[in-house]
Amino acid sequence: ELKVEQNPLFLSMQEGKNYTIYCNYSTTSDRLYWYRQDPGKSLESLFVLLSNGAVKQEGRLMASLDTKARLSTLHITAAVHDLSATYFCAFQTSGSRLTFGEGTQLTVNP
Amino acid sequence: EAQVTQNPRYLITVTGKKLTVTCSQNMNHEYMSWYRQDPGLGLRQIYYSMNVEVTDKGDVPEGYKVSRKEKRNFPLILESPSPNQTSLYFCASSLTGMNYGYTFGSGTRLTVV
Repeated sequence: ELKVEQNPLFLSMQEGKNYTIYCNYSTTSDRLYWYRQDPGKSLESLFVLLSNGAVKQEGRLMASLDTKARLSTLHITAAVHDLSATYFCAFQTSGSRLTFGEGTQLTVNP
Repeated sequence: EAQVTQNPRYLITVTGKKLTVTCSQNMNHEYMSWYRQDPGLGLRQIYYSMNVEVTDKGDVPEGYKVSRKEKRNFPLILESPSPNQTSLYFCASSLTGMNYGYTFGSGTRLTVV
């Protein structure tokens, strides 16, 4: 059974600071997603990581995947208030099944 | 516009009163799935469907039913809702296989009193 653990679950940071959200998973996975969710809204796809060593960047967010360590990270650079949201990692296994982490609620304070 | 449409967006009902949440996609996706979201638990899969007339249980199927009679529709049925089914529900769809992403609906917030 695939299990996914995110940490931290809650993150409060100041604008301009850097931080990393970690996502560990328990078994072999074929694909890793990062999603953003604003309060009361649906999920917005941020990144899709396909293979070991994959790194993708969009604005102040950068995601990476290490399949040997079974770890994905979402790095936030010079945070701004607009990044406040809940971030989920999710792993896809055969048959199109997605397994989600618990989510990291990020608050960026002025 | 390519999208997954859920209805209703908000629903308050009473214990035991059967309800259906509809989900429809216009992208000809084979795969459809239902998730519930609860604080601190992330999204948990309820049921999924690989194609018409093919459905299977996810991680938390108890108290739910689904059907897939047409490719575009995947309704979620609560025969006898209970308060522990109060949650935010999302429908998602994709093409099958490992090379396609998922499209999520806008969500249905269900309250069972």
